[in-house]
Amino acid sequence: KAGVTQTPRYLIKTRGQQVTLSCSPISGHRSVSWYQQTPGQGLQFLFEYFSETQRNKGNFPGRFSGRQFSNSRSEMNVSTLELGDSALYLCASSLATGTGGEDGYTFGSGTRLTVV
Amino acid sequence: AQRVTQPEKLLSVFKGAPVELKCNYSYSGSPELFWYVQYSRQRLQLLLRHISRESIKGFTADLNKGETSFHLKKPFAQEEDSAMYYCALSLTNAGGTSYGKLTFGQGTILTVHP
Repeated sequence: KAGVTQTPRYLIKTRGQQVTLSCSPISGHRSVSWYQQTPGQGLQFLFEYFSETQRNKGNFPGRFSGRQFSNSRSEMNVSTLELGDSALYLCASSLATGTGGEDGYTFGSGTRLTVV
Repeated sequence: AQRVTQPEKLLSVFKGAPVELKCNYSYSGSPELFWYVQYSRQRLQLLLRHISRESIKGFTADLNKGETSFHLKKPFAQEEDSAMYYCALSLTNAGGTSYGKLTFGQGTILTVHP
């Protein structure tokens, strides 16, 4: 089966700009979670969407937002970019019927965002 | 708040030696524990989850609620086991539904020398 697809793979943006990242989950998976990965902070949870509703949110400022479409694809948006937003952004999908289903949470390859 | 601690940032062993990657968690509810692995230039992938009690690639992990630990073990390490290993915790409510959030430890880089 096709895995979790994230686009684009790489992005370079300037401070103050905004950016939109996309995630297509595994077919049949209705939950999409987003994570930020940095060398200093490791993997940190941003938010999770299920059936177009945000069910859970991490401790990130309001500049970080997301949404989910009826086909379960998800986008995350970061406005007014700061240098510290440079990171690998990962999304993960799961069945979300229980504790992630038999396959747990399946991760994409990520989008590497560099803010200059 | 939930927390996952992996005390070793780096772990080096020789091929054929036993390996144990430590993971401790703090959470008073019903956690679900996972081990994820990231090989060089590959995506993060699920290695083990405690409820399945499977052995994957020779690795096992037992949830010890008394010690709040979920250590990953393998009796004979192989060079291909060299990777970054993350322990992660998912919260569940009384109905067994997760909230879609994984809390990760900082990771342990395992290097298996020939």
